[in-house]
Amino acid sequence: NAGVTQTPKFQVLKTGQSMTLQCAQDMNHEYMSWYRQDPGMGLRLIHYSVGAGITDQGEVPNGYNVSRSTTEDFPLRLLSAAPSQTSVYFCASSFLTGENGYTFGSGTRLTVV
Amino acid sequence: AQTVTQSQPEMSVQEAETVTLSCTYDTSENNYYLFWYKQPPSRQMILVIRQEAYKQQNATENRFSVNFQKAAKSFSLKISDSQLGDTAMYFCAFMKRHSGGGADGLTFGKGTHLIIQP
Repeated sequence: NAGVTQTPKFQVLKTGQSMTLQCAQDMNHEYMSWYRQDPGMGLRLIHYSVGAGITDQGEVPNGYNVSRSTTEDFPLRLLSAAPSQTSVYFCASSFLTGENGYTFGSGTRLTVV
Repeated sequence: AQTVTQSQPEMSVQEAETVTLSCTYDTSENNYYLFWYKQPPSRQMILVIRQEAYKQQNATENRFSVNFQKAAKSFSLKISDSQLGDTAMYFCAFMKRHSGGGADGLTFGKGTHLIIQP
């Protein structure tokens, strides 16, 4: 049981480049989400999904795109990277009720130069 | 919208001491959960303890316990017999429950950096 798997662990992008952060879970969780963590800011919700084909925006969605074609996968796309998107990104999943807390991936440190 | 406030950016205690981390939150909701997450230098987010708002009994997990004061909207974490491995960032988080059983995302505080000194 791998839990939540995020790839890559580290990435450096040039301004304007695009890329996709991958997230996969094997726990049959309905709920999946993406957070970004910036120094002194805690974690902030970017996008989330409550099931295949359903996505919605969180607190800081601008510049990011998501889709959920399967229960297991929830990729995060940066359309045109900007230095302000330099951050650590976490994928998290849970059952729909969320009452047992979320399981987090190990994070992706992204630097945009 | 909910807000979560952790007023202690950093704390330092000696090994084996007891330490309490503070967390307050602001919400108009009645049905919600509260969590404490630990983030060691490895960056992994680890669930420490959870509390259901409708339960008056404070949650306990081994050396970790909470003091949940619903009326005061306070949710502090007590770590007893602290160990070097407890050194980490600790985040308090709030999650609203929907009447249909689903849940919103987590709203996090900014974290407390806890250092356990040998």
